Amino acid sequence: GQQVMQIPQYQHVQEGEDFTTYCNSSTTLSNIQWYKQRPGGHPVFLIQLVKSGEVKKQKRLTFQFGEAKKNSSLHITATQTTDVGTYFCAGPISSGSARQLTFGSGTQLTVLP
Amino acid sequence: NAGVTQTPKFRVLKTGQSMTLLCAQDMNHEYMYWYRQDPGMGLRLIHYSVGEGTTAKGEVPDGYNVSRLKKQNFLLGLESAAPSQTSVYFCATSGVLYEQYFGPGTRLTVT
Repeated sequence: GQQVMQIPQYQHVQEGEDFTTYCNSSTTLSNIQWYKQRPGGHPVFLIQLVKSGEVKKQKRLTFQFGEAKKNSSLHITATQTTDVGTYFCAGPISSGSARQLTFGSGTQLTVLP
Repeated sequence: NAGVTQTPKFRVLKTGQSMTLLCAQDMNHEYMYWYRQDPGMGLRLIHYSVGEGTTAKGEVPDGYNVSRLKKQNFLLGLESAAPSQTSVYFCATSGVLYEQYFGPGTRLTVT
């Protein structure tokens, strides 16, 4: 079945350092979505990428969709303690007609002050 | 505008007991989902609904049942709870861009 893999599983950074998480799909995706989950909270939608090679920015966050539409990355510049949480990528299930998503296992980011 | 709400927030069950988790949304979304989240395993889809009166199985449906009698509500039932069902349960709806909006979650412990 379709799989979405994320690396690394955990990342500890010093405040001010950069952070990147990578997402790889076993199949071509029509779009990829990113979510953030704060400790003890629920996933919150961040962004959706649709086009091959697309790059989108949200302040210090840069999202990229690969040319083959099978991989994506999220890069955070100069991390802050407010960036702590788990970042998930998700892609539509290729055979699904109900907008189902397959989620990666997430990257848990810890920012040390 | 509350978005997606879930009740209860926490629950402890004994093996064999039953319970129902309620998800309510005021976003007028057709699609609704139930996920479970376990450490290191991301979010796994239990059941979903594409509209009032419809339900379908997701990736891990065994041991759960659902009902969508009203568009704004999606219920998840556990008929005979097992320790393996200890998890955090999230309800979600799907928006116009297929993005999903999650409720705050229910933390369930089965002893």
